[in-house]
Amino acid sequence: GENVEQHPSTLSVQEGDSAVIKCTYSDSASNYFPWYKQELGKRPQLIIDIRSNVGEKKDQRIAVTLNKTAKHFSLHITETQPEDSAVYFCAASIGTGGFKTIFGAGTRLFVKA
Amino acid sequence: SAVISQKPSRDICQRGTSLTIQCQVDSQVTMMFWYRQQPGQSLTLIATANQGSEATYESGFVIDKFPISRPNLTFSTLTVSNMSPEDSSIYLCSVVSGQGVTTDTQYFGPGTRLTVL
Repeated sequence: GENVEQHPSTLSVQEGDSAVIKCTYSDSASNYFPWYKQELGKRPQLIIDIRSNVGEKKDQRIAVTLNKTAKHFSLHITETQPEDSAVYFCAASIGTGGFKTIFGAGTRLFVKA
Repeated sequence: SAVISQKPSRDICQRGTSLTIQCQVDSQVTMMFWYRQQPGQSLTLIATANQGSEATYESGFVIDKFPISRPNLTFSTLTVSNMSPEDSSIYLCSVVSGQGVTTDTQYFGPGTRLTVL
């Protein structure tokens, strides 16, 4: 079955710096890769996603890249702010003929003011 | 995006009892799921709730322990049966909503925080 590995488990950056979180997946049939942000005591919130026919997607300070050949994808946050502090989860999903999402272990991001 | 509500938001239960969690969506969705998130951990899929038929369970989860219903396209329930302290966790309803395979997106409900004493 699908396995998603996520690194690092913890990331601490200074406000204004960039943060990068990397994930790898095992099932080449995966075609949908969402990223979720979870603040303490709250639900996971979808912040950006990418589908397998796209190599890169950007939304303001957040960007995601996908390398299907290498089976890895990354989240990039630029100009980090203290409110970016949260746990971030990557996920890989097979979205055709069903929908099954496997999540990475999560990255706890601390942005120091 | 779909608006998802769950009831109860939290509960404290005695071991050996059962709790039913409800999930309501404001629009028809293609798929509904139930996840468990233990403290400080990632999300683990319990099962896919299938409308009008038995749920599809993941390895390690069984129907006798986690019976699931989905009577229509906007509502599902998860029951945690014969609870033990190890069942203490957050249980999240999740849905897939969209126009088709190129736009389907997965969203999460607010979760139900369960504590078993």
